[in-house]
Amino acid sequence: GAVVSQHPSWVICKSGTSVKIECRSLDFQATTMFWYRQFPKQSLMLMATSNEGSKATYEQGVEKDKFLINHASLTLSTLTVTSAHPEDSSFYICSARGSRLSNQPQHFGDGTRLSIL
Amino acid sequence: AQTVTQSQPEMSVQEAETVTLSCTYDTSESDYYLFWYKQPPSRQMILVIRQEAYKQQNATENRFSVNFQKAAKSFSLKISDSQLGDAAMYFCALTVTGNTPLVFGKGTRLSVIA
Repeated sequence: GAVVSQHPSWVICKSGTSVKIECRSLDFQATTMFWYRQFPKQSLMLMATSNEGSKATYEQGVEKDKFLINHASLTLSTLTVTSAHPEDSSFYICSARGSRLSNQPQHFGDGTRLSIL
Repeated sequence: AQTVTQSQPEMSVQEAETVTLSCTYDTSESDYYLFWYKQPPSRQMILVIRQEAYKQQNATENRFSVNFQKAAKSFSLKISDSQLGDAAMYFCALTVTGNTPLVFGKGTRLSVIA
């Protein structure tokens, strides 16, 4: 089946550091990638939609200068949390779709647990 | 805008018994897709089952089946012969046609009692 690799799985860093999270589709071309944030015991909250070769579309309330998304190729999207602070600590999950058609399932990465000290 | 509501924050079931998780949704679109995802403690998102709105027949995947009531905008998940490995958070999700993301409900935490 389709596989999405997300790296790193867990990162701990100091406040003020920028952190990059990678999301790769391993056996299909990901036309569209999505980035979600999940707080403990809560649901997934969509942060942004990223189409290959285009600027990401951010959801209302998500700071695009804080959460930089790059989708430069059909197999890789990155989320960079710039100048991270403790309130950015969360679980971040990417997902990828091999088509711009919504009837195609989204395949999820295993997530990244980000802890900012 | 699309919304998904899961009214049961927690459910429990005895091993080998059957449990039904509820989900209602709202959309003004006529063409859409519904999903159930499972998130175990490892926090992986695992697709359990999906249903196309234009299909009247309820989707089934082994022990998992749905009761899709389009007029009522209801999409419940039935788990038969529950197993310990079924214990997880279950999310109902909706997407409409076009290049749109999944909209998730708040989830239902399922416990399986041995």
